[in-house]
Amino acid sequence: DIVMTQSPDSLAVSLGERATIDCKSSQSVLHSSNNTNRLAWYQQKPGQPPKLLIYWASTRESGVPDRFSGSGSGTDFTLTISSLQAEDVAVYYCQQYYTDPLTFGGGTKVEIK
Amino acid sequence: EVQLVESGGGLVQPGGSLRLSCVVSGLTFNNYWMHWVRQAPGKGLVWVSGIDTAGSSTRYADSVKGRFTISRDNAKNTLYLQLNSLRAEDTAVYYCANYGSGRPYWGQGTLVAVSS
Repeated sequence: DIVMTQSPDSLAVSLGERATIDCKSSQSVLHSSNNTNRLAWYQQKPGQPPKLLIYWASTRESGVPDRFSGSGSGTDFTLTISSLQAEDVAVYYCQQYYTDPLTFGGGTKVEIK
Repeated sequence: EVQLVESGGGLVQPGGSLRLSCVVSGLTFNNYWMHWVRQAPGKGLVWVSGIDTAGSSTRYADSVKGRFTISRDNAKNTLYLQLNSLRAEDTAVYYCANYGSGRPYWGQGTLVAVSS
């Protein structure tokens, strides 16, 4: 199984500052046939289902603010919130969908400092 | 617009059974693998099971193997998860999910609560 390791577990950032979350996979999730990384990022607020932010490691979902960006390839990925807003307080998960079993990072809780 | 709508959750006693359904619209259902993912209260996301396009190949997490059965009806664009021998630790919101096009699609989830 591919193990997804997220860091940090929690993060407190001042409003307007940058938040960075890392995600490392135990093996590459790069799909060689079309050169896409099968890596997604989700945001989850209390009582709500996960909301897709980023897929293919760096493609922003329609309607997601452009302060959210994804980067990385192979085994190392990053979600960046360029200017943290109050509504960004949530838990963030990375997930690989390169192979079964689909696996998730443990989550990163983002709070306001 | 792609929609995945789960149903069938509820409160059940330990040892009981439930069948979850997920109706899919807006994509060519029989072209894609489908999956179930769950989230226990206050916990992270965990993959539960997956099924191939024809329903002939199925995969399960070790924690549910032998108790849960995934299936699909391509004529009805519907995914199922039969939950048997339920335990307290199966209490979770269950989501159906699709990744076939490379862009993930999830439903809103259905809550399964196992308690006496």
